[in-house]
Amino acid sequence: AQTVTQSQPEMSVQEAETVTLSCTYDTSESDYYLFWYKQPPSRQMILVIRQEAYKQQNATENRFSVNFQKAAKSFSLKISDSQLGDAAMYFCAYKVGSNYKLTFGKGTLLTVNP
Amino acid sequence: GAGVSQSPSNKVTEKGKDVELRCDPISGHTALYWYRQSLGQGLEFLIYFQGNSAPDKSGLPSDRFSAERTGGSVSTLTIQRTQQEDSAVYLCASSLEGGRETQYFGPGTRLLVL
Repeated sequence: AQTVTQSQPEMSVQEAETVTLSCTYDTSESDYYLFWYKQPPSRQMILVIRQEAYKQQNATENRFSVNFQKAAKSFSLKISDSQLGDAAMYFCAYKVGSNYKLTFGKGTLLTVNP
Repeated sequence: GAGVSQSPSNKVTEKGKDVELRCDPISGHTALYWYRQSLGQGLEFLIYFQGNSAPDKSGLPSDRFSAERTGGSVSTLTIQRTQQEDSAVYLCASSLEGGRETQYFGPGTRLLVL
């Protein structure tokens, strides 16, 4: 069974600084996708970034980037120039290529200090 | 365009009562998913609808849970004879198609069973 592990239940960062959230996963599949979702107090689960396993290049979306280490099965999220609005619960998620079920980690609660 | 909408936003019910939760997916999305988010279990897949195909109900925790999708659009998740352990946030997501497409989530319904 596929598992997703987020080892940091909570993280904090100063506004304008950079923070990295960790995620590891376990799979025997070669075709899969990885995601980071953000869930603010409003509960809305918002897609932050998506990575296809076959792509060697790390995905980036503005201030958000990932470090995808396929051999190590690691998928960390880097948030640069942190803003107060980045404060939320962040979930790492995994999906086998043609399957539709997302498997989520337990989440990391990010606090941004002014 | 409009995102995934869910109603009600919050629901408080008494143990033993039935509840219905509604999800309105993004227009044009043929795939619809229900997930449950609880403190103890994290995020769990419940059920998946794709077009006119038979739904994948493999994640439903008991036969008290059922879901339907009318006209390939709106979906209703019904919980009969609610129990306190059913208290959770119920999240709905939709995607253009199943499989490789990214899932976009609604704001969820927080259910509290007293």
